[in-house]
Amino acid sequence: KQEVTQIPAALSVPEGENLVLNCSFTDSAIYNLQWFRQDPGKGLTSLLLIQSSQREQTSGRLNASLDKSSGRSTLYIAASQPGDSATYLCAVNDYKLSFGAGTTVTVRA
Amino acid sequence: GAVVSQHPSWVICKSGTSVKIECRSLDFQATTMFWYRQFPKQSLMLMATSNEGSKATYEQGVEKDKFLINHASLTLSTLTVTSAHPEDSSFYICSASPFVADYGYTFGSGTRLTVV
Repeated sequence: KQEVTQIPAALSVPEGENLVLNCSFTDSAIYNLQWFRQDPGKGLTSLLLIQSSQREQTSGRLNASLDKSSGRSTLYIAASQPGDSATYLCAVNDYKLSFGAGTTVTVRA
Repeated sequence: GAVVSQHPSWVICKSGTSVKIECRSLDFQATTMFWYRQFPKQSLMLMATSNEGSKATYEQGVEKDKFLINHASLTLSTLTVTSAHPEDSSFYICSASPFVADYGYTFGSGTRLTVV
């Protein structure tokens, strides 16, 4: 059974600081990995999708890396803003999506 | 592209009644949709996989008679919580994917169910 772990569980940083969110998974036989953002009481917004053959994906201030062999992915958010405050979820797709518990980010103005 | 719409956003119902939640893929056909449940400050738990034209596949521990899933068309799946009780109060989210390269899973906006 795929186990997905996200560290840290919570993170509070001043505006402008770079964010590093970590995700690890136990079974490397995956199709892809997806990072989501969830605001309180809302659904999930897809941020980045990395296929198993890819090493990284970038979108604006967001960059996600994938090391499938070691079972790790990292989401980098550059120059954080208060609007980045949310919970970030990592989901591993090995036919079914398995989610980590998330990292709750607070960016202080 | 790949938009999933979910309704209602929130619903309050009396204990013992049934509630139906709809999940629609707006710009793609979804032969498979997924239903999740999320408890406060916890991650998503997959409840069942909805398959168009066939029976849903339920995860272990999920009561299929309480959570009825119907996937009658390529763009619509419904989750009916039958004889709802306060412990069924939760956040329910659906998901689907076009299963085309570079498209991952798209999620609905979720439904907050409160049973009183």
